[in-house]
Amino acid sequence: GAVVSQHPSWVICKSGTSVKIECRSLDFQATTMFWYRQFPKQSLMLMATSNEGSKATYEQGVEKDKFLINHASLTLSTLTVTSAHPEDSSFYICSARGTGGIQYFGAGTRLSVL
Amino acid sequence: AQRVTQPEKLLSVFKGAPVELKCNYSYSGSPELFWYVQYSRQRLQLLLRHISRESIKGFTADLNKGETSFHLKKPFAQEEDSAMYYCALSESGRRALTFGSGTRLQVQP
Repeated sequence: GAVVSQHPSWVICKSGTSVKIECRSLDFQATTMFWYRQFPKQSLMLMATSNEGSKATYEQGVEKDKFLINHASLTLSTLTVTSAHPEDSSFYICSARGTGGIQYFGAGTRLSVL
Repeated sequence: AQRVTQPEKLLSVFKGAPVELKCNYSYSGSPELFWYVQYSRQRLQLLLRHISRESIKGFTADLNKGETSFHLKKPFAQEEDSAMYYCALSESGRRALTFGSGTRLQVQP
């Protein structure tokens, strides 16, 4: 089946630094990828829709200058958390939309901001 | 705005017992409904979608537009069914998913 690779799986950073998370569709092309955030014991909340070759569409309440999304190719989307603070600590999950409209998910990235 | 409700955080059953994980949604249009499953230490994966009308791993789900429900059912639970189950909705014409809060299914031996 279709595989989505997300890297890194876990990152610890100092407050004020920026962190980049990569999401790759390994065996299929994805014009649309999605970024979700999951707080402990809560569900996935959509942050933004990443469209190849165009600007991402952010959900209400998500700061686009804080969470920079780049989708430069049909197999790669990146999420950069800029000037990270402890409240940005969370589990970030990406997905890629494959054939038939099915979303395939990455394994997630746990971000801890000290 | 669309909303997906899974009223049970935890559902515990014995092996061989029937299982029903509830999912209700609110959306004025024609949604597409999905069930995703997350086994321990694994990523989220699609279990089934309503337009396929198929049975996966013995699970079925029927979209009931009158009751705005998409409950997941299995007649005889197995221990390997223990996992976190998420109901999700996709609005017509929109590709993103809205997830319910999830239900942890625990199948005891």
